Amino acid sequence: NAGVTQTPKFRVLKTGQSMTLLCAQDMNHEYMYWYRQDPGMGLRLIHYSVGEGTTAKGEVPDGYNVSRLKKQNFLLGLESAAPSQTSVYFCASRDYGRGAYTDTQYFGPGTRLTVL
Amino acid sequence: AQSVTQPDIHITVSEGASLELRCNYSYGATPYLFWYVQSPGQGLQLLLKYFSGDTLVQGIKGFEAEFKRSQSSFNLRKPSVHWSDAAEYFCAVGSPSGNTPLVFGKGTRLSVIA
Repeated sequence: NAGVTQTPKFRVLKTGQSMTLLCAQDMNHEYMYWYRQDPGMGLRLIHYSVGEGTTAKGEVPDGYNVSRLKKQNFLLGLESAAPSQTSVYFCASRDYGRGAYTDTQYFGPGTRLTVL
Repeated sequence: AQSVTQPDIHITVSEGASLELRCNYSYGATPYLFWYVQSPGQGLQLLLKYFSGDTLVQGIKGFEAEFKRSQSSFNLRKPSVHWSDAAEYFCAVGSPSGNTPLVFGKGTRLSVIA
């Protein structure tokens, strides 16, 4: 049981390049989330999904797209990277609804992205 | 709208001293409440959670938190801090219906000195 994994762990992009961050979970959770973490800003929700084939915008969705084609995977895409997207990105899955009073988010180890 | 305030950005305590991290929330009814911890270079891990019932909840690593409805607070405590507790701590609020994402506070960074 690997929990939540993120690929890659580190990446450096040039302005205008594109990339996709992969999040995978093996806990059969319906809910998945993408956050970015910047100093002094805490965690900010980018996009989330409440099940396979669904996505929704979070607090800071601009410049990002997501897809949830398979239940276990949640992809975050940057179509044209900007220096403002330099951040640490965290994925999480959530076991809400699996039982009475069940609600825990499991976080991946993060992806450190630098956009030059 | 739900919101979470962690008034302290950074706290420094001596090893062996007691700790209290503050968390205030805004929510229309009784929320689900959480504390998560983030060690340097890692993702967040659940410390404890409150759903209902006993307002004092116990978590991992010797932490506890108390839900006070009248003060809209969910403060985290530990009687004796260890150097390994140095980390960032996040309070979060959620809806019992689960149909909205958790709302996280901006975090409190804990430093532990000898």
